[in-house]
Parts: sequence; structure tokens; C-alpha cells
Amino acid sequence: NAGVMQNPRHLVRRRGQEARLRCSPMKGHSHVYWYRQLPEEGLKFMVYLQKENIIDESGMPKERFSAEFPKEGPSILRIQQVVRGDSAAYFCASSRLAGFNEQFFGPGTRLTVL
Amino acid sequence: QKEVEQDPGPLSVPEGAIVSLNCTYSNSAFQYFMWYRQYSRKGPELLMYTYSSGNKEDGRFTAQVDKSSKYISLFIRDSQPSDSATYLCAMSGEDSSYKLIFGSGTRLLVRP
Repeated sequence: NAGVMQNPRHLVRRRGQEARLRCSPMKGHSHVYWYRQLPEEGLKFMVYLQKENIIDESGMPKERFSAEFPKEGPSILRIQQVVRGDSAAYFCASSRLAGFNEQFFGPGTRLTVL
Repeated sequence: QKEVEQDPGPLSVPEGAIVSLNCTYSNSAFQYFMWYRQYSRKGPELLMYTYSSGNKEDGRFTAQVDKSSKYISLFIRDSQPSDSATYLCAMSGEDSSYKLIFGSGTRLLVRP
């Protein structure tokens, strides 16, 4: 029973490039959450998606960031025109149900912007 | 002021010690309280959660919530070197219960 999968595990981009982070939830999970972890800080909620719907994007920066969770395939977090401040670990979590229930986290994607 | 405050440590204890990890928070609307363990370069893993106030025990781990003081604790009995990790507290309210608000984590080192 595979857990939450994220790829790539490490991503290096130069300023101005685009970063695409992928997340495949656990089998049977249709709720996906993205969090960002800056060095020495806790995880910060970014966005909550269900299949084909964005439920809550209150934690997403207004510009350059977008997320999707299509009917088929993984959830994608997309960062356009990356800047050095985007360097962080990005974690995806999934859950089976809506509301409060255990969120299972993936291993994260570590983004480095040069 | 952060919504959730957590001492970053590091906390170094000898094997077998009782460990106490704590968080304070400011938002009285929080109702769900969680403790996650995160090993280096890994994703967080849920250890325990409690709803509202009270205690919960699971093996060597005990979680306590004191809503009147806005203070939560995780106790680890008979600590083991394998418990060495970063411990994150997380909370959420009834509304948007999926939106976990994390502390910055406490690094724990259990010395053999």
C-alpha cells in the first residue's frame, strides 16, 4: 500500500524559471493538501484540493503560484518565475475524507532557486 | 506573534528519560490538536491527536491539552534513540479543520 508519492524529491531552478511539483495521493484518497516549509519554520498551509476542484487556496501567494488536481493524474503545484525566496520544502498530504481526519504526508520536494 | 509557539530546542536527553514537549497557542477556536514526528529529510508522520481538552495515551506517548491555558504537551516515556527526530505540534479549528497550523518544531536527541 504505497504512501503519498512526490516527485521530484529535489529540484533546482534558476531565477525566472518555472517549477512543477507533483503529488500522487494514497490510493483511495481524493483530498490533497499542499504545505510549504521554510528553513527553521513549521509547515504553512497553502491549498486544499479535491478532484478537479480547489476548495481553499487561502495560503497560496496571489501571484506566480497555482495548483490543480485533475480527474486523472497527480496533483500539480506550479510556481512560475521562481525567486530565491521560493526555496523551501514543499509537502503534499492526502486524506480519505473531508473535514478533520488524518493527513498522510509525502516525503516532500526540496526546491532550490539559484 | 505566531499563532502556535514551540521551543525549537534542541533537546538532548539520555536514553530512558521522560521527555516533555510543549506548544502554546493564541487562537481559542482551535479544537483539534496533533503531534507529528518528522525525521530528517522525511515528511511528517502523525503520532497522536486529541479533540478539545483532556489526555490521551498511546503506548509510551501521552498527549495533554489544556485549553484554559492554551497549552499542549506531549510526553514520551522510556525514550529511545529511535525517538530522535523533530516533533511538530499542529492545530485546527472546527471551521476549516483540514487547515493545520503547525509549530516550528522541537528537535529531540536521545543519547544512547
